[in-house]
Amino acid sequence: QKEVEQNSGPLSVPEGAIASLNCTYSDRVSQSFFWYRQYSGKSPELIMSIYSNGDKEDGRFTAQLNKASQYVSLLIRDSQPSDSATYLCAVKSNFGNEKLTFGTGTRLTIIP
Amino acid sequence: GAGVSQTPSNKVTEKGKYVELRCDPISGHTALYWYRQSLGQGPEFLIYFQGTGAADDSGLPNDRFFAVRPEGSVSTLKIQRTERGDSAVYLCASSPLGSYNEQFFGPGTRLTVL
Repeated sequence: QKEVEQNSGPLSVPEGAIASLNCTYSDRVSQSFFWYRQYSGKSPELIMSIYSNGDKEDGRFTAQLNKASQYVSLLIRDSQPSDSATYLCAVKSNFGNEKLTFGTGTRLTIIP
Repeated sequence: GAGVSQTPSNKVTEKGKYVELRCDPISGHTALYWYRQSLGQGPEFLIYFQGTGAADDSGLPNDRFFAVRPEGSVSTLKIQRTERGDSAVYLCASSPLGSYNEQFFGPGTRLTVL
């Protein structure tokens, strides 16, 4: 079982709709969760971080965390063509283990 | 302010050669990380520095890989006797001190070993 799993996609969503990206992780002691956006040929860009169960909203983005189910998701409202990218889920274990473990990413395409 | 910078942006070398990749973190960030990303994969952890010391080098694939951060700022990743399998994008990230460190990535160095 991979430590961090994402559906590789591609996920196609019409412009203006909600894009839903999902991620599961295997290490129960994981404490910090991050979503990165990566455009083709570019480096990952941090867009959301979440540490507690529940929802965290930032503009059009909402991160959702359920530690009991070991599940984290990213919702993008009012999807725009500029949201087309690969979204990487990253997980950091407990304090003292500072590395991020990444999923393979989900490729999202917003259809105009 | 300025983000993480990496040089060179591209490096082409021949099998067996030695390469150095440089990372300049965000000013004031005490933690520095190196990752490697192959096509279609997420970044893979290599090594983490807190200050000048390597706090975790468990991701270095073998002893051909080595990294230093002598003054607690700029870091250099060194690869000896390069192999074709070393070809990847090498990413550097930095973060401020704290238990919920958010890591900010540089643009990466694309290494191609012929």
